[in-house]
Amino acid sequence: DSGVTQTPKHLITATGQRVTLRCSPRSGDLSVYWYQQSLDQGLQFLIQYYNGEERAKGNILERFSAQQFPDLHSELNLSSLELGDSALYFCASSPGRLEQFFGPGTRLTVL
Amino acid sequence: SQQGEEDPQALSIQEGENATMNCSYKTSINNLQWYRQNSGRGLVHLILIRSNEREKHSGRLRVTLDTSKKSSSLLITASRAADTASYFCATDAIQGAQKLVFGQGTRLTINP
Repeated sequence: DSGVTQTPKHLITATGQRVTLRCSPRSGDLSVYWYQQSLDQGLQFLIQYYNGEERAKGNILERFSAQQFPDLHSELNLSSLELGDSALYFCASSPGRLEQFFGPGTRLTVL
Repeated sequence: SQQGEEDPQALSIQEGENATMNCSYKTSINNLQWYRQNSGRGLVHLILIRSNEREKHSGRLRVTLDTSKKSSSLLITASRAADTASYFCATDAIQGAQKLVFGQGTRLTINP
């Protein structure tokens, strides 16, 4: 158990819908990262937050947004969902610029 | 685009044998990390090697880093069935904010 929790574990929704994925980092970790893992694109970095502020952006679509709250939990919002958004979404946290601790992931299926 | 490329894409060996996986990357890095992922599960951090280190050990794991060739290898000795998983290298580039760039991974199967 990494100490990072993600909810929900599974999410099934329809095209055009909006969903919110939630992540609670390890106690004391200020950085939260979001990754998308799909068969064709592999594991892609989406976005990083540090202590409530956006720190780095990767291959995140404009339809996707994220935020980190004062209690350090983070949410990833995916809107106008498309079939191609079906993937595993991972959250990770870290205490600094070292190893990252990954949550169990949310499997999103868009039908 | 992926920074790291891993080789081989898949590896199948007998229990007790050693497994070697390789990773190549493109830019200068702060560190390189190896992660394991069991099927559909979260990634587990295995080992981190800094850019000024050449070799590191952790239990049955041995990692080497050659920054001149921009490559790394992960050796798992005396493999066990429980080592069956996908293994990813991830690089933390010097330039820019911290973000890990992952390779496509090596799927390792240990046959009993």
